[in-house]
Order: sequence, then C-alpha cells, then structure tokens
Amino acid sequence: DAGVIQSPRHEVTEMGQEVTLRCKPISGHDYLFWYRQTMMRGLELLIYFNNNVPIDDSGMPEDRFSAKMPNASFSTLKIQPSEPRDSAVYFCASSPDRTEAFFGQGTRLTVV
Amino acid sequence: GDSVTQMEGPVTLSEEAFLTINCTYTATGYPSLFWYVQYPGEGLQLLLKATKADDKGSNKGFEATYRKETTSFHLEKGSVQVSDSAVYFCALSDMNTGNQFYFGTGTSLTVIP
Repeated sequence: DAGVIQSPRHEVTEMGQEVTLRCKPISGHDYLFWYRQTMMRGLELLIYFNNNVPIDDSGMPEDRFSAKMPNASFSTLKIQPSEPRDSAVYFCASSPDRTEAFFGQGTRLTVV
Repeated sequence: GDSVTQMEGPVTLSEEAFLTINCTYTATGYPSLFWYVQYPGEGLQLLLKATKADDKGSNKGFEATYRKETTSFHLEKGSVQVSDSAVYFCALSDMNTGNQFYFGTGTSLTVIP
C-alpha cells in the first residue's frame, strides 16, 4: 500500500477563496483523522471519521470548515472562505484501530 | 478529559549524548501510548508504542516504558546521532474516548556533531 496520500502538497490561495484538501486513506482502515499543525498551537485534531461517519468534529474551528467522507477511500476538508489565519500544515491520518495512526505527508496551506 | 503533557523544547545535544524527553498523560481508561517522530517537511511516523502498563516500546535505539503508577511514558536513547534531529510527539489513544489520538505539543531535538 502506498500509505496515506494527500493532495495537493502545497496550496497558495488568496483570502476569500475556497480551498479543498484531499485525502486517500490506507485501504481497510476504519478511522480517518484530519489534523492542523501550526507553530503556535501544535497539532490539533479537527475531525475524525469511523467507517465514513463523522464522530467528533468539535475541533473544527468554525463554520468555514467542513469535512466529508463520501466513501472509504476518499475524504475532503474544505475551507470557504479562507482567511490568512488558516495558514498551516494540514495532515490526514488513518488507522485500523487504536494501535497506530498512519499520517500522510501533509498539505501546506498558505492564504495570502 | 484525556491529555498528554510533554517536555518543552527545543533540546540541543551533542552527538552520543543521552536523551530523555519526558511525557505524562491523563486518561479515563487504559490507553495505548505512542511516540511519533516528525522529520522536516514530512508527516508523523510511529517510533514506538506500548499498549499496557509496564510494557516497554523500543525502536532504533529509542525506548519508553509505560508507567501507570506515575502516568508517564518518557522517551530515552543512550547515544543520539545527528540523524535523530527531529520533532518528537508523545500521544495516547483511549478506547473509552472513541479511539482518537491525543498528541502532545512536540519536542524539537537538534543533535550537533
């Protein structure tokens, strides 16, 4: 398996634009997590899914953020409209259970 | 709720020095404990783990022992190398809180030749 695949690796967008981050988890993993990493706040859990169902989205900063998992092999994190304070590295991770989380390489988002 | 507290960084060591990065946790149940490592520009990778009290996780010369009595999982290595320079994250996963992973703030390690 190629591991967790995220796209794009880098995204630069203007304030107010819509941004969509994509993630393909490892096949067979039941859990999918979205994290945001910044220098100031470290690694924050935004939302996680179990069997494609959102379980806890309490970490989503505000209504501008939304995440979907239409099937077991794909998830998106959307920010609309984007703001400069959303600039961060966004990680997707998947897990078969609580034994280990496998991380993608991240998407570095810059909002100017 | 569940949480992880780890030693503030950054940490700078000379090559072959002994490394300890402290980690303590709070959990409602019996969590699994992890150390992850993040190299520059990459995602987090599992370094080692322990699933029950008194277990010792080990990998690449790193070790950590699950201490329930002190709620700790300190990372140690006897002789660090330049290639160990990275950010280290302590984490837990607790079945009682839905199997999500809680991460510490990370400790940056720089090893100088």
